[in-house]
Amino acid sequence: GEDVEQSLFLSVREGDSSVINCTYTDSSSTYLYWYKQEPGAGLQLLTYIFSNMDMKQDQRLTVLLNKKDKHLSLRIADTQTGDSAIYFCAGDSTSGTYKYIFGTGTRLKVLA
Amino acid sequence: DTEVTQTPKHLVMGMTNKKSLKCEQHMGHRAMYWYKQKAKKPPELMFVYSYEKLSINESVPSRFSPECPNSSLLNLHLHALQPEDSALYLCASSQGGGGVRAGGYTFGSGTRLTVV
Repeated sequence: GEDVEQSLFLSVREGDSSVINCTYTDSSSTYLYWYKQEPGAGLQLLTYIFSNMDMKQDQRLTVLLNKKDKHLSLRIADTQTGDSAIYFCAGDSTSGTYKYIFGTGTRLKVLA
Repeated sequence: DTEVTQTPKHLVMGMTNKKSLKCEQHMGHRAMYWYKQKAKKPPELMFVYSYEKLSINESVPSRFSPECPNSSLLNLHLHALQPEDSALYLCASSQGGGGVRAGGYTFGSGTRLTVV
């Protein structure tokens, strides 16, 4: 079945860059997404990339997609304490139009 | 209005109770979803409604009963739940009923359910 893996935890200092990685087994997703979840809250869509793109930049966020290696990453420049949250990557599922396959989630902790 | 509103935010219920979770959106989205999220895990899809019709049921036990009274509202009726059903229940919506995915989902803040 489809599988999306992320490292569990990342700690960075305020002002540094953060890179959150995601690897997946099924490369047929049309869109790939990054969501942010703060404690006790729902998921917030941060950005997404179309599968025929290599890179997308959106203010402090840069998404890199390496389809050959089935690797997706999210870089957050000038990381702030407000960026502390869990980050999920997600892709369309080949088994259904409405279904996502979510990654396991990476908890980002930003140290002041 | 660009939000999905869920009520209540917290709910404690006994195993013999009947309760309902509510979700509302006014963005004109035609697909609405229920997800279940356990602590430190990604959300798991439960149900999808497209154009007010049940499109996907991910083999969810019948003690969970979804309802879509109109295009803006989604309910989840709960009956005879088990303690292992305690979780964060998230509602989401997306544009189009035909699986247009570029806009992603808009999630509500969730209902934290505790079954005692």
